[in-house]
Amino acid sequence: ETGVTQTPRHLVMGMTNKKSLKCEQHLGHNAMYWYKQSAKKPLELMFVYNFKEQTENNSVPSRFSPECPNSSHLFLHLHTLQPEDSALYLCASSPRTGGEKLFFGSGTQLSVL
Amino acid sequence: TQLLEQSPQFLSIQEGENLTVYCNSSSVFSSLQWYRQEPGEGPVLLVTVVTGGEVKKLKRLTFQFGDARKDSSLHITAAQTGDTGLYLCAGAPKTSYDKVIFGPGTSLSVIP
Repeated sequence: ETGVTQTPRHLVMGMTNKKSLKCEQHLGHNAMYWYKQSAKKPLELMFVYNFKEQTENNSVPSRFSPECPNSSHLFLHLHTLQPEDSALYLCASSPRTGGEKLFFGSGTQLSVL
Repeated sequence: TQLLEQSPQFLSIQEGENLTVYCNSSSVFSSLQWYRQEPGEGPVLLVTVVTGGEVKKLKRLTFQFGDARKDSSLHITAAQTGDTGLYLCAGAPKTSYDKVIFGPGTSLSVIP
């Protein structure tokens, strides 16, 4: 138990669907992150939030839309995804940006059909 | 592009053997972290190294940060089946401190 909870654990969606991934951290951290992990590729940083303000968008397509209503919750809204977006999506938090100590959730395994 | 490279990509060894995995970059890092990831789970932080030349020990695991702060190694003594997993190094380059990047990982399999 890392203190970071992600739901759902698994998601299958069609290319025309709209879905959302949820992340909640109970660690009192100020920074939250979305990472994408594909087979045979390193973890890719997608978004960084610090005190619920977005500080980094790593050239992510607009079909991925993050939302951070407060420092404890982070969402990733998905719409009109492509099959190549199938991956493990990991949420992480850290006491501050700079991310020397990232605490990850278990991830959402996403399959786009 | 600032990259972290890891070697070997895959490693399969017998229980009780020793091993070393490496993490290298052309960039200078203020710190490097090592994580272990098991199938179906997120990475779990093992250690952070901060000072050039620093050596940290975590039971049978020994971590070293290069003098120039561009590389790191992880040595496991007398590997056990519970050490099986994907070992990832990560760090924030000094030029972009809030963008933590990850290496591709070393997939370790320890066979009984």
